[in-house]
Amino acid sequence: EAGVAQSPRYKIIEKRQSVAFWCNPISGHATLYWYQQILGQGPKLLIQFQNNGVVDDSQLPKDRFSAERLKGVDSTLKIQPAKLEDSAVYLCASSRTGAYGYTFGSGTRLTVV
Amino acid sequence: RKEVEQDPGPFNVPEGATVAFNCTYSNSASQSFFWYRQDCRKEPKLLMSVYSSGNEDGRFTAQLNRASQYISLLIRDSKLSDSATYLCVVWAGDNYGQNFVFGPGTRLSVLP
Repeated sequence: EAGVAQSPRYKIIEKRQSVAFWCNPISGHATLYWYQQILGQGPKLLIQFQNNGVVDDSQLPKDRFSAERLKGVDSTLKIQPAKLEDSAVYLCASSRTGAYGYTFGSGTRLTVV
Repeated sequence: RKEVEQDPGPFNVPEGATVAFNCTYSNSASQSFFWYRQDCRKEPKLLMSVYSSGNEDGRFTAQLNRASQYISLLIRDSKLSDSATYLCVVWAGDNYGQNFVFGPGTRLSVLP
């Protein structure tokens, strides 16, 4: 079974620029999550999709972050404009249903300078 | 109060030592519990699930106390390769948003 694919692996941008991350979950996984992990902290959920619908985006800074999951498969997370405090690893995870089979991608490390 | 809290760490222990990590959670509706391991610059990976009766996997033992909303992980005979951050994870069920919540993690360094 192929894992959760994310790209790019690394991104360096200047503040106020925009950036987009892509995630392709494991085939058949209905639930997709985007997490932000700042160095030294646990992953913080940004948005949770069930198929192509948003289940929870309460912690997504909507003035600058947006995410979509068209067709209920892959997903894109965008930041526009980026701030220095957005420097973090952005992790995508997916699961079929329930808590088991929950798998992370390798993440995108974003540095905002 | 944070939803999932863990021992702040870091824990620095010699090889062969026994070390225990604690985790508390605030959502009494939580249904499933896990320990994840995260190596430096890597994604978190499932270490083990935590069952009410307690469960063991080799040198690792996990315990759950639902009444106290408390989870623990015990590592016996620590190896250098156990050095990592250990994340406590609580799952509230399919019908909830924010249903897979991570604690802040406890960093373990096993020293030669």
